[in-house]
Amino acid sequence: GDSVTQMEGPVTLSEEAFLTINCTYTATGYPSLFWYVQYPGEGLQLLLKATKADDKGSNKGFEATYRKETTSFHLEKGSVQVSDSAVYFCALSRSGSARQLTFGSGTQLTVLP
Amino acid sequence: KAGVTQTPRYLIKTRGQQVTLSCSPISGHRSVSWYQQTPGQGLQFLFEYFSETQRNKGNFPGRFSGRQFSNSRSEMNVSTLELGDSALYLCASSRDRDGANVLTFGAGSRLTVL
Repeated sequence: GDSVTQMEGPVTLSEEAFLTINCTYTATGYPSLFWYVQYPGEGLQLLLKATKADDKGSNKGFEATYRKETTSFHLEKGSVQVSDSAVYFCALSRSGSARQLTFGSGTQLTVLP
Repeated sequence: KAGVTQTPRYLIKTRGQQVTLSCSPISGHRSVSWYQQTPGQGLQFLFEYFSETQRNKGNFPGRFSGRQFSNSRSEMNVSTLELGDSALYLCASSRDRDGANVLTFGAGSRLTVL
């Protein structure tokens, strides 16, 4: 079945550091890929998405590129801020099942001032 | 516009009881999905409703059920609660039935089973 593997956390960075959170997936066909972020005490918020190979999703300085050849969707940000501290989830959905997401285990990011 | 509203936000039950959680989707959204979030199992898909019909169901026992009303509001019910049902239950809505439409999540209902 479908699965998503995320780099294990927690990740602790200093403000303005470069961020990479690795995400790889296993799925048949051509899934859509997502990054969601969860702040303490809140639900999930969509950060960015990509629906086909080589698409780049971007939002709020975060980027991720859909790499079919490596089945990856790594999240990057050039300069993190304290306000980026949260849990980040990589997820996929199969074509035709857009509302059924398979999530990775989440990566806790803490950014120190 | 108003987001996805889940009630109650917090509740405590004891083993053997049942619980009903409510979700009001964003106006115009016809699909509602439910997820369970626990520290051990992470985020797992429970079920999805569209136009009052259950379209997909995850791998959960029959104690977990749901329904959707004509106004797209949804409820999920867990009967004969077990300690392991303690979790954050997240509801998400989306506009259309197919395609890579974005799910918008509510803040969740945190259930504690004692």
